[in-house]
Amino acid sequence: DIVMTQTPLSSPVTLGQPASISCRSSQSLVHSNGYTYLSWLQQRPGQPPRLLIYNLSNRFSGVPDRFSGSGAGTDFTLQISRVEPEDVGVYYCMQGLQAPFTFGPGTKVEIK
Amino acid sequence: EVQLVESGGGLVQPGGSLRLSCAASGFIFSDHHMAWVRQAPGKGLEWVCRIRNKINSHTIEYAASVKGRFIVSRDDSENSLCLQMNSLKAEDTAMYFCGREVSGSFDFRGQGTLVTVSS
Repeated sequence: DIVMTQTPLSSPVTLGQPASISCRSSQSLVHSNGYTYLSWLQQRPGQPPRLLIYNLSNRFSGVPDRFSGSGAGTDFTLQISRVEPEDVGVYYCMQGLQAPFTFGPGTKVEIK
Repeated sequence: EVQLVESGGGLVQPGGSLRLSCAASGFIFSDHHMAWVRQAPGKGLEWVCRIRNKINSHTIEYAASVKGRFIVSRDDSENSLCLQMNSLKAEDTAMYFCGREVSGSFDFRGQGTLVTVSS
């Protein structure tokens, strides 16, 4: 199984400032078709998970452009350019390359 | 508007069974692979199973933790997804979400349905 790790596990951030979350996979997430099957999901308190980024860097429908995904191979980053109050929650990276699909442990983003 | 509405959760004794349903609307259900993901109280996300679309022969994959106990099915004519859960264990206690696959990830829209396995 592909193991997903995230750092940090908790991230106190200042409103209006940037934030960054790292994710690493135990093997490359690049498919033979050239796509990288790494995605990011946000879970606000008491809410279901929400898809933010798929295929490494594609923002899903309705996701603000302050969210961006980058990386390559086994190392990935989610960046929030300017943190807003509604960004508080837990962020998960996920690999969709092969079953069993696996998630990182989550990074809790909270306001300082 | 895409909607996914889960139902069927509840309290069940260890060893018991439960059938979850997911009603889909707002997109072409038959085109999408569908999945169940769960979240134990206070814990992270765990993928449970996936059933592919008709073009991919409705092939199914399960997490090792549920294989042999859970059965996923879909009815494309009814835009519905089901999860038959048998031989339930305490560790199956979780909120269960259904999601449509989007290029290797999942789009969740519902609030989930809570399954509690306890005597």
